[in-house]
Amino acid sequence: NAGVMQNPRHLVRRRGQEARLRCSPMKGHSHVYWYRQLPEEGLKFMVYLQKENIIDESGMPKERFSAEFPKEGPSILRIQQVVRGDSAAYFCASSPDSYYGYTFGSGTRLTVV
Amino acid sequence: EDKVVQSPLSLVVHEGDTVTLNCSYEVTNFRSLLWYKQEKKAPTFLFMLTSSGIEKKSGRLSSILDKKELFSILNITATQTGDSAVYLCAAYRGDDKIIFGKGTRLHILP
Repeated sequence: NAGVMQNPRHLVRRRGQEARLRCSPMKGHSHVYWYRQLPEEGLKFMVYLQKENIIDESGMPKERFSAEFPKEGPSILRIQQVVRGDSAAYFCASSPDSYYGYTFGSGTRLTVV
Repeated sequence: EDKVVQSPLSLVVHEGDTVTLNCSYEVTNFRSLLWYKQEKKAPTFLFMLTSSGIEKKSGRLSSILDKKELFSILNITATQTGDSAVYLCAAYRGDDKIIFGKGTRLHILP
């Protein structure tokens, strides 16, 4: 069991470009969560998804950010027209249910230049 | 191997009681200690502790880190039924990897 896989590990984008972050949950996990960590801050919840459904997106910025978890393939966090303030570490976590067994990936560090 | 160990694994108390949740860690390149509360959905952030001996408080919750003894405690005073949840402790490493404990499942009886 390879754990929660995130890629790329590091991503550099110029302002105005699009960033796509991928998360493959652990085998048997159908719940995926995305978090963002800004320097010197804790993890901030962004969105919670199950297969083909967004359950809770209360932490997502209203514009430029979107997430999906298709029936087949990884979950994708998409950031359009990136700005410097989007530079952060983005973590994905998965769980077999919504209550326990919560496992984080190693994160993607996005740098906007 | 890095590890974060929480105790107890589960705890049942009555409303109004005070509880103390424990978290010990052995983590390379340790950066900070995180506490989360998880109910029906994704965990919600409670505290981030980086410095030893400095208590952080938020309402009835407080937490402190001891970097010499490699542990942290989370205190909840005057517990309420809404405090029932799984409380997760996590060690944040300098390489951005987060090591989670298995959690303490707290149940508050009315």
